[in-house]
Order: sequence, then C-alpha cells, then structure tokens
Amino acid sequence: NAGVTQTPKFQVLKTGQSMTLQCAQDMNHEYMSWYRQDPGMGLRLIHYSVGAGITDQGEVPNGYNVSRSTTEDFPLRLLSAAPSQTSVYFCASSSGTPSSYEQYFGPGTRLTVT
Amino acid sequence: EDQVTQSPEALRLQEGESSSLNCSYTVSGLRGLFWYRQDPGKGPEFLFTLYSAGEEKEKERLKATLTKKESFLHITAPKPEDSATYLCAVKFSGNTGKLIFGQGTTLQVKP
Repeated sequence: NAGVTQTPKFQVLKTGQSMTLQCAQDMNHEYMSWYRQDPGMGLRLIHYSVGAGITDQGEVPNGYNVSRSTTEDFPLRLLSAAPSQTSVYFCASSSGTPSSYEQYFGPGTRLTVT
Repeated sequence: EDQVTQSPEALRLQEGESSSLNCSYTVSGLRGLFWYRQDPGKGPEFLFTLYSAGEEKEKERLKATLTKKESFLHITAPKPEDSATYLCAVKFSGNTGKLIFGQGTTLQVKP
C-alpha cells in the first residue's frame, strides 16, 4: 500500500514551458486535491475532484488544469509556466465520507520556474 | 469569511517543557477539525480528527482538544523529535471534502 505518490520530486522549468505533475493513490479514495504551499501563505487549494470525471476549482486555479479519468490518478497540468508558480505542490486524497474526511498527502513536488 | 488562524507562528521549547498550540476558526457549520504534522521537505502527516466540542484525542505526547471556537494541541514533555510544523485544518458544511488550512506553528524542541 503506497498511499499517495507524486512525480517528479523536483522540477525546473523555464517561463512558458508546460508540464504535468503526476499524482496517484491506491486507497480507492473518491476525493483528490492539489495544493500549493508557499512561505507565509500556508496550503492553498488549486483544484479538487470528488470522483472520476468530476473536477472543480479551488482557491487559486489560474494557470492550472486538471482532469480525472480514473479513480487512482489526478494529474495537474501547467499550461505555460510563470515564475509565480514556483512553489511546492502537494496532492492529497480522502475517502470523503462523513466518518473520514481526513486527507492523506503525497511527498510533494518542488517546482522552480526561471 | 471562513478563516483558520494558528498561534504562535513559532515556538521554541526545551526538552520536557510542556506547552500548547492554538488553532482558532471562524467557519459556519464545522464538520471536522484536523491536525497534521509536517517535517521539512515532506508532505503533511495526518495526526487527529475532532468532530465536536468537548472531544479529545491523544497520541503519545500529543493531545488535541476542541471547543466551539478553537482547538488546542497540547504537547507534554516534548522531545527533539517532536520538532516540526503543526498544521490545523477545518472542513465546513457545504463543501465536499474541501479543507481550509491555517498557516502552521513551527515547533523547535531543544535537547
């Protein structure tokens, strides 16, 4: 049981480049989400999904796209990277049931945009 | 506006010196309050869930409590390995699965 996995662990991009951050979970969780963590800003929700085929925007969605074709995977796409997207990105999952709202986080992807 | 505030931002303790971290919230319809531990370079690690005022949870040297307006994470006789950032998050009614996070308290325990 690997939990939530993320790849890559580190990435450097140039302004304007695109890339996809991968996230997978093996807990059969319906709810998945992407956060970014910046110094002094805490964890901010980018996008989330309540199940395969269903996604919605969070607090800071601009510049990011998501899709959810399977229960296990929830990739985050940066369409045209900007220096403001330099951050640490975390993927999380939850069963989303009233008895178990807690989210479980992956190890993170540290992204630098130059 | 729904908000979660943690205090203090940073806390330095000597080994064995007990203390408490605070998480206050202004959300309507609290559905759960969560505590996480985050070590440098790693993702947050789930510690506790509290659902209703008066509830308490314990794990080793940590004890979490909840009132109608705030939660405390009590650390009893801390050890250097308890050094980490502790995050508080809340889920409120009407937003499936979404959590609002506080900015965290960074705890340093010196031997």
